[in-house]
Amino acid sequence: AQSVTQPDIHITVSEGASLELRCNYSYGATPYLFWYVQSPGQGLQLLLKYFSGDTLVQGIKGFEAEFKRSQSSFNLRKPSVHWSDAAEYFCAVGGSGGYQKVTFGTGTKLQVIP
Amino acid sequence: SQTIHQWPATLVQPVGSPLSLECTVEGTSNPNLYWYRQAAGRGLQLLFYSVGIGQISSEVPQNLSASRPQDRQFILSSKKLLLSDSGFYLCAWSVEVGNQPQHFGDGTRLSIL
Repeated sequence: AQSVTQPDIHITVSEGASLELRCNYSYGATPYLFWYVQSPGQGLQLLLKYFSGDTLVQGIKGFEAEFKRSQSSFNLRKPSVHWSDAAEYFCAVGGSGGYQKVTFGTGTKLQVIP
Repeated sequence: SQTIHQWPATLVQPVGSPLSLECTVEGTSNPNLYWYRQAAGRGLQLLFYSVGIGQISSEVPQNLSASRPQDRQFILSSKKLLLSDSGFYLCAWSVEVGNQPQHFGDGTRLSIL
């Protein structure tokens, strides 16, 4: 069965500092990988996705993620965090070949301090 | 462009009362539709998904049910709410082909008293 682990429940960074949120997945074949962001009381917004090709994926709001098959990881990064990035971030994994369930991680809550 | 609407945004219901949450999608045809429940620290739990009108798959046995009476309408229901049904409910859609990203509504905060 597929699974996603986000080992950091809560992360605090200073505004302007770099950010890396960790995501490890378990999937038997080539995965489809996603990062979403959720502001309090809101739905989830897609930041970026990886299906195939270049393992470094660019997303919206200045985020990027790198797919590392050997480490089963898909970490999210941003070089300089803004106060507006404070939110909860979810990694998700799904499979190819028709409809398959997407499994979400438990989320990492990001706090940004001035 | 495609949009997804979910209502109500907030709902307070007594234990044992019925429930109906509605979700509609605009700007696309034959989407896959999903209902999730989100609990603090537990991520998203998939409750139901649908790949077409009248086709509902249940992921977790519970006292909730889902229906898809029209192509772009997805309804989450219960005949008698339990305290444990409290939570944040999210509707989502994706295109029918392949395993494409899901796009979420703004959610419904359900509180059971």
